[in-house]
Amino acid sequence: DQQVKQNSPSLSVQEGRISILNCDYTNSMFDYFLWYKKYPAEGPTFLISISSIKDKNEDGRFTVFLNKSAKHLSLHIVPSQPGDSAVYFCAARLISSGSARQLTFGSGTQLTVLP
Amino acid sequence: DAGITQSPRHKVTETGTPVTLRCHQTENHRYMYWYRQDPGHGLRLIHYSYGVKDTDKGEVSDGYSVSRSKTEDFLLTLESATSSQTSVYFCAISDKAASGNTIYFGEGSWLTVV
Repeated sequence: DQQVKQNSPSLSVQEGRISILNCDYTNSMFDYFLWYKKYPAEGPTFLISISSIKDKNEDGRFTVFLNKSAKHLSLHIVPSQPGDSAVYFCAARLISSGSARQLTFGSGTQLTVLP
Repeated sequence: DAGITQSPRHKVTETGTPVTLRCHQTENHRYMYWYRQDPGHGLRLIHYSYGVKDTDKGEVSDGYSVSRSKTEDFLLTLESATSSQTSVYFCAISDKAASGNTIYFGEGSWLTVV
């Protein structure tokens, strides 16, 4: 049973418009959420994160929103650029998972930004 | 780029043969991880290490073993490869157990079991 779900495997957006990627989770013990970006033939790279005590975090064109009551987070990219085309993974971290905190990843959303 | 090198980058092997993937880091980070990426599943943790000779199982550890005899090297071994282990394997490192944004990933190792 997946605890972190990205229900949209793909998303296409026109350049300059807003991209909204969604992520749902089921475990209320997650205390930190992250988005990773992955280009083909490369490893994932960290993009932006948010603590469970906040509802919004912004970094340039990227904003992550967290709705704890709905167990939902979203990543907004404004304006979208062709270079943003990649797979985006949502990840969540448990409050306590032993000596090394582990991340639980969603299945990813392929974003394609059309020129 | 984080100093992570995975080898081999691509490998085709036969069912039943042993396979070892190597992760080498130059960052002196304490924590090292092996993930696999499969369509529809995202990244799933296989094993992780929190120090030399200190390892633990992740979500999908069956059929895999690991070893860490030096800080810089973390080996993933498939004792007897099966077709279900065809996947892309990512090594990751971090310097803080508590901070997800300091996890850095290698470029991946593509393994095909025929």
